[in-house]
Amino acid sequence: NAGVTQTPKFQVLKTGQSMTLQCAQDMNHNSMYWYRQDPGMGLRLIYYSASEGTTDKGEVPNGYNVSRLNKREFSLRLESAAPSQTSVYFCAASRTTDSPLHFGNGTRLTVT
Amino acid sequence: AQTVTQSQPEMSVQEAETVTLSCTYDTSENNYYLFWYKQPPSRQMILVIRQEAYKQQNATENRFSVNFQKAAKSFSLKISDSQLGDTAMYFCAFMKPRGGSTLGRLYFGRGTQLTVWP
Repeated sequence: NAGVTQTPKFQVLKTGQSMTLQCAQDMNHNSMYWYRQDPGMGLRLIYYSASEGTTDKGEVPNGYNVSRLNKREFSLRLESAAPSQTSVYFCAASRTTDSPLHFGNGTRLTVT
Repeated sequence: AQTVTQSQPEMSVQEAETVTLSCTYDTSENNYYLFWYKQPPSRQMILVIRQEAYKQQNATENRFSVNFQKAAKSFSLKISDSQLGDTAMYFCAFMKPRGGSTLGRLYFGRGTQLTVWP
């Protein structure tokens, strides 16, 4: 039982490059989330999807876009990467928006 | 906005001893959820324990228990019989139930790094 799977695990980008972080869950959960974690900070919400077909901005959405492709998959896209986006990114899923979150193992992204 | 404060950036405890991690939060809500998550060096985020604000009884999960003081807006985590595998960053988190614009958003504290030594 994989739970929440994120790819890739590590990525290095140059400023201005684009990329998509992939996330898939096999728990049949309705809600999915993207967080970023920076040193000395907790996790901050970038975007979330309360249910299939809906997406909403979180606390720090600037510079990102998301797609809820289907119930299983929720991708995060950086159109033009900036050094300020160097971070560890976590995808999470929950049965509903007031259930505990289950997290993937994170993607460490470095933008040079 | 909700705020979650963890005032102890680092703590250490000897194996088999008991340690308590502090967390306070600020909210005007009456119904909400509180969580403790553990992040070991593997980077994985693991749910440790959950507390519903409407429940007066403190949650317990094996060696982990909480002291929930609703009036004081305090939610501390007690780890009994500490083990080397408990070494991790611990995050306190607050969640409003769905409703309005926040739709059950999870707010995290900045974390407490716990080291268990032999």
